Amino acid sequence: AQKITQTQPGMFVQEKEAVTLDCTYDTSDQSYGLFWYKQPSSGEMIFLIYQGSYDEQNATEGRYSLNFQKARKSANLVISASQLGDSAMYFCAMREGLREYGNKLVFGAGTILRVKS
Amino acid sequence: EAGVVQSPRYKIIEKKQPVAFWCNPISGHNTLYWYRQNLGQGPELLIRYENEEAVDDSQLPKDRFSAERLKGVDSTLKIQPAELGDSAVYLCASSFGSGGPNTEAFFGQGTRLTVV
Repeated sequence: AQKITQTQPGMFVQEKEAVTLDCTYDTSDQSYGLFWYKQPSSGEMIFLIYQGSYDEQNATEGRYSLNFQKARKSANLVISASQLGDSAMYFCAMREGLREYGNKLVFGAGTILRVKS
Repeated sequence: EAGVVQSPRYKIIEKKQPVAFWCNPISGHNTLYWYRQNLGQGPELLIRYENEEAVDDSQLPKDRFSAERLKGVDSTLKIQPAELGDSAVYLCASSFGSGGPNTEAFFGQGTRLTVV
């Protein structure tokens, strides 16, 4: 069963506007972590933001924020004031907390974001 | 502090030839992962090491893929013989700790393999 679903293969956003990248997940575990990574064309995976399942507040890191809706099992990434350098592939990932699943980071298929000037 | 280092960055080989990738994780990181990323898709875990022990290799095609992590530091991933479908980016990542849900994985730049 697919654990992470990113339904938007590609997105366009105008420079300086905000954009939301969708992510839904599936887990029966109560303890889990959700991550967003950015992958530019150069190939490296860059960590952006983390949200724990028990965190009561949505995570924020500079222009990145995570809209965490636990009941809906969604963890959407919001990028505010988009910049041309934000053009990249974005991956949502989940790590489950049970020891038997421990350390396994499962990725979605990704969303490619293009920022237009 | 140096990040995860992978080599080579690019490799082009003919099918049926062997190929090996090398990864040096961040110093002190006990967990090492190898992922394969096909074009336009997310990374998929091939194998995970905790120190020198392979604790999850369920997705590793064992008929042609092998990996080792001697002394619990550097790791090598090998394909022999390579097939056209093995063309992908091979990513190495490392993390520290017992693997709780907040464990962040740090990735190398990957090796882009093209099999012709």
